[in-house]
Amino acid sequence: DTGVSQDPRHKITKRGQNVTFRCDPISEHNRLYWYRQTLGQGPEFLTYFQNEAQLEKSRLLSDRFSAERPKGSFSTLEIQRTEQGDSAMYLCASSGRRSYGYTFGSGTRLTVV
Amino acid sequence: AQTVTQSQPEMSVQEAETVTLSCTYDTSESDYYLFWYKQPPSRQMILVIRQEAYKQQNATENRFSVNFQKAAKSFSLKISDSQLGDAAMYFCALGGLTFGTGTRLTIIP
Repeated sequence: DTGVSQDPRHKITKRGQNVTFRCDPISEHNRLYWYRQTLGQGPEFLTYFQNEAQLEKSRLLSDRFSAERPKGSFSTLEIQRTEQGDSAMYLCASSGRRSYGYTFGSGTRLTVV
Repeated sequence: AQTVTQSQPEMSVQEAETVTLSCTYDTSESDYYLFWYKQPPSRQMILVIRQEAYKQQNATENRFSVNFQKAAKSFSLKISDSQLGDAAMYFCALGGLTFGTGTRLTIIP
């Protein structure tokens, strides 16, 4: 296991289209987190899973955002009807225990044109 | 609500010198964890050091150490013997949910 993988690395989409990002965490990690990061800012927490349960989703930016983690393995983040303001880096991180810190993926950079 | 404040948007230090990055936070929890992460340009974020709130001893990882003042809710990062590879954005984080706005560290050769 080489770390947290995110796919795709870059996504350019037209406004109004739906996009889906995938995150594969470190296999033994049961916690998985999604963040949005805009230029010059720190990561902004969106949602997290413990195994397959989504324990916090109130921070998702709007009802256009949704996330899933079927079977407690990989996760997907979907943005429907994309807007230019959705352009950002979307980061995924996983953790085995909250005290150990979080291993981040390289992120998916979304550009909405 | 939890908050993390990094009041230094940019810092610079001469190579081989020591630099301290500041972080203050606020939380109503008694059991929590604090982290410093490093994000080099166009590269992924990596964990630098972590501190458990119930431990009074300051964490140390090689050239990186923290000054954790629980009563003051302060958690600064000291980098000793700065190296060119230390140049990056540094983010202070409270648990996994709250990050500061970051400090951009430049190393001057």
